[in-house]
Amino acid sequence: GAVVSQHPSWVICKSGTSVKIECRSLDFQATTMFWYRQFPKQSLMLMATSNEGSKATYEQGVEKDKFLINHASLTLSTLTVTSAHPEDSSFYICSAPRWAKDTQYFGPGTRLTVL
Amino acid sequence: DQQVKQNSPSLSVQEGRISILNCDYTNSMFDYFLWYKKYPAEGPTFLISISSIKDKNEDGRFTVFLNKSAKHLSLHIVPSQPGDSAVYFCAASAYNAGNNRKLIWGLGTSLAVNP
Repeated sequence: GAVVSQHPSWVICKSGTSVKIECRSLDFQATTMFWYRQFPKQSLMLMATSNEGSKATYEQGVEKDKFLINHASLTLSTLTVTSAHPEDSSFYICSAPRWAKDTQYFGPGTRLTVL
Repeated sequence: DQQVKQNSPSLSVQEGRISILNCDYTNSMFDYFLWYKKYPAEGPTFLISISSIKDKNEDGRFTVFLNKSAKHLSLHIVPSQPGDSAVYFCAASAYNAGNNRKLIWGLGTSLAVNP
C-alpha cells in the first residue's frame, strides 16, 4: 500500500490565488521530505528539501517566496504555491526518504492547473 | 549540466524478450544508484537499487549492473511483459551540503513492451 500520500490529487484554481498541497508519510517518520515538479515529457526537477523543524532548502532558481514549504511534523510537509499563475501549472510530487531502505517513497502527485 | 544521462528517450521491445535500459553518470561522488518506474500522472515507484560497492543486484525479473570505471549502469528486465510499459528513471544519490541525501535524476526512458 501507499506509504506517502498527497492531497489534493488535482486542483484547478484561478490566477492569483494560492494553493496548498499536503504530503504525508503514512507509516514512518520523515525528518526530510523532497518536493519535485515535473513538466510534460521532462524529468523530475527537485524544487526544495523540506526539513522538519527548520527552514526548507531551495534549489537554485526556485523562488522561496513563491513556493512556501512548511514541515510542521515528522509526517507532514506542505507546499503552498502563492499567487499562482498559468506557468505554475505542473505536476507536483513529494517524496520521503527511508534511507534505512536506501530509497525514497513518492506520493502520487498533484496536478495543478492555473487558469 | 546533466549529471545523470539516459540517452535513449524511448525503447520498444517484444513481450518475452529482454529490455535493457541504460544510464550514464558523470559525478564520481555518487555512491548509490536507483531505478524508478513511473506511469503517467502518478508518482515514481522504486524498482531496484545498487550500491557503488557492488556491480550487480538482482530482484526477480529486474537486474541492475554497475560499471564504475565506465560510469555506466543498466537495468535488465527479462522476460519483458506488457505491464512493464512505463517511463523508467535512473537516479543517482549523493550527500548534499546539508548532509542529506539527494537524488539526481535522468530524463527517463519510455519503455513500450508489445504483446
